[in-house]
Amino acid sequence: AQTVTQSQPEMSVQEAETVTLSCTYDTSESDYYLFWYKQPPSRQMILVIRQEAYKQQNATENRFSVNFQKAAKSFSLKISDSQLGDAAMYFCAYSFTGTASKLTFGTGTRLQVTL
Amino acid sequence: EAGVAQSPRYKIIEKRQSVAFWCNPISGHATLYWYQQILGQGPKLLIQFQNNGVVDDSQLPKDRFSAERLKGVDSTLKIQPAKLEDSAVYLCASGRGVRGNTGELFFGEGSRLTVL
Repeated sequence: AQTVTQSQPEMSVQEAETVTLSCTYDTSESDYYLFWYKQPPSRQMILVIRQEAYKQQNATENRFSVNFQKAAKSFSLKISDSQLGDAAMYFCAYSFTGTASKLTFGTGTRLQVTL
Repeated sequence: EAGVAQSPRYKIIEKRQSVAFWCNPISGHATLYWYQQILGQGPKLLIQFQNNGVVDDSQLPKDRFSAERLKGVDSTLKIQPAKLEDSAVYLCASGRGVRGNTGELFFGEGSRLTVL
């Protein structure tokens, strides 16, 4: 069974600074997707960034980027130039490729952004 | 496009009572998921539908939980009788579920259940 581990229950970053959230996973599959989802206090999950395992290049989306280390099964999220609106729960998630794939989530990291 | 709709947003019941949650996925999405998110934890999959068929319900407590997706569109999740440990947010999500899809799921705002 696939598992996703987030070892940082809470993180704090000052506005405009950079923070990195950690995630490790376990799978026997060679092709899969990895995601970072953001859950603000209103609870709706929003996709932040997505990585396809067969791609060597790390995904980037504006201020968000990942460090994908396939051999180490590590998938960290870097947030640059942090903003107050980045404060939320961040979940790392895994899914295998396929038409009816499901997401397996980690336990989440609560990110606080301070002035 | 309209997002995933869920209702009710909040529900408070006594233990042993019943409750039902409704979800309307994004139009055209073949897959629908119900997740349970207990406070401080990540979402846990309860049941997954592909059109109106069940793909995975291995984590669904079938003695008290049931779900259906009639006509492959909207879905209802029912709990009867509720226990204290069922207090959680119930998230509905949908996905395209077609060949070449990106794996991304789209979530509703959730239904928060409190069992007293």
